[in-house]
Formats: sequence, C-alpha cells, structure tokens
Amino acid sequence: AQTVTQSQPEMSVQEAETVTLSCTYDTSESDYYLFWYKQPPSRQMILVIRQEAYKQQNATENRFSVNFQKAAKSFSLKISDSQLGDAAMYFCAYRRRYFGNEKLTFGTGTRLTIIP
Amino acid sequence: GAVVSQHPSWVICKSGTSVKIECRSLDFQATTMFWYRQFPKQSLMLMATSNEGSKATYEQGVEKDKFLINHASLTLSTLTVTSAHPEDSSFYICSARDPNRAGYEQFFGPGTRLTVL
Repeated sequence: AQTVTQSQPEMSVQEAETVTLSCTYDTSESDYYLFWYKQPPSRQMILVIRQEAYKQQNATENRFSVNFQKAAKSFSLKISDSQLGDAAMYFCAYRRRYFGNEKLTFGTGTRLTIIP
Repeated sequence: GAVVSQHPSWVICKSGTSVKIECRSLDFQATTMFWYRQFPKQSLMLMATSNEGSKATYEQGVEKDKFLINHASLTLSTLTVTSAHPEDSSFYICSARDPNRAGYEQFFGPGTRLTVL
C-alpha cells in the first residue's frame, strides 16, 4: 500500500521569504502522480502543483516549485516570496497513473503560517 | 472550468435523522466521484468511490449501510448519512475527476459541515 508522510505538522515563514515543505512517500509503482493541495481556512481544497513521476524536470507554477527526487521518494514544495494568502494547510498526495478511478492518498498535512 | 459544488454547505440535524449531501460537477461529466471525511485538524479520509450507474466502492471500516452513496447521473452524486449520531459530526468533502483533462487531478467541492445534536 502507498503511504505519504509529511513530517512537519507546522511551519512558519516571514512574509516575502521562502519556505520549503517536506513530503516523502512509499510505493512500489514506477509511474504515478504527485500533488500538493492547499486548504485555506475556507476549507476548499485547491490544487497547487502536480508532478508526473516519468518527468525528470521539476514542476513549477509561478511562486511554487517542487523538488522531486524519485529515487529518494521525496517531493518537497518550495514557496517563494511568501504572501499572507499562502497561509493554509498543505497536503501532499499520491496517485497511481494508469488507473482511471484510482484514489488519492494524502499526507497528514502541514499548517503554514505567514508572519507579516 | 472543472468546478464542483456541494449542497448544503452546513447542516444541523437531530440524532436519529437522515441527512443527504449533494455533490455536483458543474461544467464537466464525472463518471467517478469521491467522498471524504475530515475531522478537525486532520487529513482527508477517503470514505468511498462513487461510480455512475453502479454501486459505490467503500473503504475498509466505512459502514455502507450508514453512508449511502448514489451516483445516478454523470453530474450528481449524493451521500446520505442515515440515522445520524453525534459521532457522525464532521466535514464531508466530495471530489471528481474530469476525464477530459490530462493530469488526473481531482477537483474538490467546498465541503459540507454536518453537526448532529
């Protein structure tokens, strides 16, 4: 069974600074997707970024980027130029690729606080 | 695009009554929807996978007779909490995958807060 681990229950960062959230996962599959979702106080889950395991290049979305280390099964999220609106719970998630109805496996989440 | 709605956003009910929560994909057809439960300050726990036109697949430990799921159309899935009790109070979230989009990400509804008195 796949597992996703987020070892940082809480993180804080000064506004405009950079922060990195950690995520590791365990799987025997070779092809899969990894995601970072954001859950703000409204509790609406929002996709932040996606990484396909078959791609070596790390995904980037504006101020958000990942460091995907497939051999180490590590998938960290870097937020640059942190903004107050980035304050939220961040969940790392895993999904096998070739199964249409495949479920997401979530980590336990990291609560990110932005210090003005 | 890829918007998922839920109704109601908040419901309070008396113990012993049943509550129905709707999940709709507004701008795409979803053959598969997912139902999650989230306790305060915890992660999302998958309850079941809802497949259009067939029975839902429940995760281990989830009572299928208590949490009835119906996926009667390509844009609507419903979760009915039967004979609700205070321990069923939680935040329920649905999600759906748009099969016409690459990437396999799931799009989430805004959630429903259930309080059972």
